[in-house]
Amino acid sequence: KAGVTQTPRYLIKTRGQQVTLSCSPISGHRSVSWYQQTPGQGLQFLFEYFSETQRNKGNFPGRFSGRQFSNSRSEMNVSTLELGDSALYLCASSLAPGQGTYEQYFGPGTRLTVT
Amino acid sequence: AQKITQTQPGMFVQEKEAVTLDCTYDTSDPSYGLFWYKQPSSGEMIFLIYQGSYDQQNATEGRYSLNFQKARKSANLVISASQLGDSAMYFCAMREAYNQGGKLIFGQGTELSVKP
Repeated sequence: KAGVTQTPRYLIKTRGQQVTLSCSPISGHRSVSWYQQTPGQGLQFLFEYFSETQRNKGNFPGRFSGRQFSNSRSEMNVSTLELGDSALYLCASSLAPGQGTYEQYFGPGTRLTVT
Repeated sequence: AQKITQTQPGMFVQEKEAVTLDCTYDTSDPSYGLFWYKQPSSGEMIFLIYQGSYDQQNATEGRYSLNFQKARKSANLVISASQLGDSAMYFCAMREAYNQGGKLIFGQGTELSVKP
């Protein structure tokens, strides 16, 4: 079974630009969560999607948004990029809520650098 | 207050020896799950082991076991017979049931180095 895929793997953007990151979950997984990882703040939850609906949202400004499509693929968007948005963005997929232990399986991440 | 605390920023262990990575947590939710993940230098988070708050027995997965002490709110990861490939960052994480979803709260991580 193929794992979680994220594209692109690396991205360099300029302050003020916007960026879209993509995540394809494991086949059969319907829930997708996004996390931001930085050396200073560690791993922080951004949001979770299930059945094309945002179920949970972390404490991030409105510049961070996401969506999920009917095939469970998800995208996250960051508008008006700031230097502090430089991070590894990790996507995780899991079965539907309430199924099993609901452990999350992570993709390789997208490393975003904002200059 | 930090919900997940990993007090060991770095650990060294000799190959083939066992090592314990500490994790304490804080929650008022009676129903929660505890997870351990491994993150090699490549960046991908690898799921290792899960312990539910109502599980009576400590979880085990191959060389990994979770020493769950509910009253002390600790969930330490034990790796037996360390291998060079175990060198990585290890993260403890918690999911609280009230979230009804997949939000994981992570600790700051422990960097494990296995010496030959």
